[in-house]
Amino acid sequence: AQTVTQSQPEMSVQEAETVTLSCTYDTSENNYYLFWYKQPPSRQMILVIRQEAYKQQNATENRFSVNFQKAAKSFSLKISDSQLGDTAMYFCAFSPPYNDYKLSFGAGTTVTVRA
Amino acid sequence: DVKVTQSSRYLVKRTGEKVFLECVQDMDHENMFWYRQDPGLGLRLIYFSYDVKMKEKGDIPEGYSVSREKKERFSLILESASTNQTSMYLCASSLGQSGGEQYFGPGTRLTVT
Repeated sequence: AQTVTQSQPEMSVQEAETVTLSCTYDTSENNYYLFWYKQPPSRQMILVIRQEAYKQQNATENRFSVNFQKAAKSFSLKISDSQLGDTAMYFCAFSPPYNDYKLSFGAGTTVTVRA
Repeated sequence: DVKVTQSSRYLVKRTGEKVFLECVQDMDHENMFWYRQDPGLGLRLIYFSYDVKMKEKGDIPEGYSVSREKKERFSLILESASTNQTSMYLCASSLGQSGGEQYFGPGTRLTVT
């Protein structure tokens, strides 16, 4: 399995502020996919955002955006204008290009949004 | 919307018992997965299936087996439960395409005493 590292176990942010979650990975592949998944307390995990490695443009989904640095093997998630509903555990994940079953996850970062 | 359901949210079993965890998806997905989630370790793949009756080992298959007799249903079996299998178990499904999204069930928190 590929190695995916999330170095921040927990983060706290004030409502309406911005928080950035870090993720690094290790691979020898040139093309692959990166994901951020969100797991709210006692709720199902859902996909937040996806990045294809061959696309230079950083992916954006509403208040969520990524900073993809391919050479540095870094894939950070920025949550802008944080809302109470953003409180969740966030997982960074890596998928090789040839199929989607080998999804390797990081350890997760718990984000708490304070009112 | 894709729906992935798991048979139990919470389960308590005794050491040595045979345990069945069931997962059903309603979107005709080819791929189905079983993960276990532990604090500080993220999600680790136990087994996956890319077609009916087809299965492949993931990263931590020891102590587990799986069954996929119908496309929509994927079962995880603990032949003889042990305390180190106490964990959260997540099922997921996806279309068989590169870079595709995985859809997760709500999870089963299994405690083995």
